Amino acid sequence: GAGVSQSPRYKVAKRGQDVALRCDPISGHVSLFWYQQALGQGPEFLTYFQNEAQLDKSGLPSDRFFAERPEGSVSTLKIQRTQQEDSAVYLCASSLDSGGGNQPQHFGDGTRLSIL
Amino acid sequence: AQSVTQLGSHVSVSEGALVLLRCNYSSSVPPYLFWYVQYPNQGLQLLLKYTTGATLVKGINGFEAEFKKSETSFHLTKPSAHMSDAAEYFCAVSDRGYQKVTFGIGTKLQVIP
Repeated sequence: GAGVSQSPRYKVAKRGQDVALRCDPISGHVSLFWYQQALGQGPEFLTYFQNEAQLDKSGLPSDRFFAERPEGSVSTLKIQRTQQEDSAVYLCASSLDSGGGNQPQHFGDGTRLSIL
Repeated sequence: AQSVTQLGSHVSVSEGALVLLRCNYSSSVPPYLFWYVQYPNQGLQLLLKYTTGATLVKGINGFEAEFKKSETSFHLTKPSAHMSDAAEYFCAVSDRGYQKVTFGIGTKLQVIP
């Protein structure tokens, strides 16, 4: 595809359920990022992959959050035992950058997660 | 650690008027700076970036920004606002050689006909 694809676009779950959010980056993009965007806020960094290696997971808010990118392309963000404070838009971005940090990130449209 | 301050969470301008969205950054090293735009229910789209070289950076849709090291600012401007510019704008900073990007809280731009 031409851009970053995220699925599902909307997800409603009951508190305590596990959810999995998928990100398909732009083909050939080395770097992949996950962000959490609460209502009325800017995106907050969660984690970063370079190919299949998770190089930075400092933004994951708790051990209930887990991300993987096993083959260096598609990534999944998993949230276990969801809480109401997990309600947010989860954005995925990818870039060509292999370390310099100066390449722009291309964003998907996000998954809006609502925890009831 | 870097941070970004966007002054004014909401800005209203008349169609055809100057757009000025303010951004100040804090970084321990010379940063990379970005402006992104977000339309409702969509992801962020890059408007422009500063990495090195000329401090006046031109982006898409007629926007430009100037990196002023002495003022630690990277304000976004457009000479004449169009209705289609109504959106939320995010300033972002990253340290050179480091992938993590820190975003500001965003400024919602309203364009009044």
